[in-house]
Amino acid sequence: AQSVTQPDIHITVSEGASLELRCNYSYGATPYLFWYVQSPGQGLQLLLKYFSGDTLVQGIKGFEAEFKRSQSSFNLRKPSVHWSDAAEYFCAVVPGSSNTGKLIFGQGTTLQVKP
Amino acid sequence: DADVTQTPRNRITKTGKRIMLECSQTKGHDRMYWYRQDPGLGLRLIYYSFDVKDINKGEISDGYSVSRQAQAKFSLSLESAIPNQTALYFCATSDVHRGRDTQYFGPGTRLTVL
Repeated sequence: AQSVTQPDIHITVSEGASLELRCNYSYGATPYLFWYVQSPGQGLQLLLKYFSGDTLVQGIKGFEAEFKRSQSSFNLRKPSVHWSDAAEYFCAVVPGSSNTGKLIFGQGTTLQVKP
Repeated sequence: DADVTQTPRNRITKTGKRIMLECSQTKGHDRMYWYRQDPGLGLRLIYYSFDVKDINKGEISDGYSVSRQAQAKFSLSLESAIPNQTALYFCATSDVHRGRDTQYFGPGTRLTVL
């Protein structure tokens, strides 16, 4: 079945350590890809997006993500995590590079940051 | 980002009651969406609208209805609320640029059905 998978439900990292959150999708055509962050009690904020072109995408708050077609992945990275990065992170796709705008979300990864 | 507002922000209601959640946006986006968020399931699409006269069902539309009163307003109704509709509800709007759609989300409405 077509899906978006975030294998890690919960991740804990120390402040200042690097971070990688995984996202895999199972759609045949290259989808449009997004990462959103949800801070406690807040709505979803767009971190970055990929439509085409350069496979390494820069986003806000020092985040980046790399699209790897061969692995059907779009992993989110940050070289040095800050305590304020503690939140829930969602990967989302619009399947098949379509223009329907119908976002399919992963289950989310909760990031905890240790002092 | 789009200025997307949702009212109410929190609501507690009883089984069988009719309830309406409202969404407004001030950026002139044509497309609007309603999602619900449940723990461990991410967000799932309930309804979406590409303009005032174009409304479509999403993945989980049963038990919900919507109204697009104007370009800027998109309301979600639960005609007879049930406890498994307890969830966090998000409205989103999208900006289509060169055929590519990016969605911006409101702050959410936390609904509890007793």
